[in-house]
Amino acid sequence: GQNIDQPTEMTATEGAIVQINCTYQTSGFNGLFWYQQHAGEAPTFLSYNVLDGLEEKGRFSSFLSRSKGYSYLLLKELQMKDSASYLCAVRVFSGTYKYIFGTGTRLKVLA
Amino acid sequence: ETGVTQTPRHLVMGMTNKKSLKCEQHLGHNAMYWYKQSAKKPLELMFVYSLEERVENNSVPSRFSPECPNSSHLFLHLHTLQPEDSALYLCASSQDLTTVSLFGSGTRLTVV
Repeated sequence: GQNIDQPTEMTATEGAIVQINCTYQTSGFNGLFWYQQHAGEAPTFLSYNVLDGLEEKGRFSSFLSRSKGYSYLLLKELQMKDSASYLCAVRVFSGTYKYIFGTGTRLKVLA
Repeated sequence: ETGVTQTPRHLVMGMTNKKSLKCEQHLGHNAMYWYKQSAKKPLELMFVYSLEERVENNSVPSRFSPECPNSSHLFLHLHTLQPEDSALYLCASSQDLTTVSLFGSGTRLTVV
């Protein structure tokens, strides 16, 4: 089957660095996405990895290892507004494209 | 605002009611999606439309009926729902099936 695992909750302090891990077991891997979702709002796209390595975008970076079925989202210089759920999603292809989401990691940033 | 608009934002309906959720985008996207988001569960893909044709139906109960009259609009028709259908229903769109999706803010549905 297709499965994605990520921690349910994490807590970090303002100004710190936090790493949110995502492991997946899927067939037909075709890319990994990270989304941010504030309570009551739409998920918003953060990053996309299809090749191994690190993608950096300002304070946010995302890493992928396809051989290990592993990704992480790294958030630096945490701000209070970073308190949100972070969704890991894998796109697979088996005749058509499908998106499989993890349950999300709820991050609380404390002052 | 992502450019994907969903109405209504909140809906309370009885189990015998019929209602519809609406999603609209004027971004020129050719793919549109319905997702269900329940508490403590992964986002579940329900339906996918590409160029107004349904390309994915993930074993969704027939009490949910999608409609895509044109590439800018997507509906989800609801009838005889169950309390466990209470959830946040999210619409998304993308340029095509391979590109990043933009999500709407969702409709919070409560079935009583």
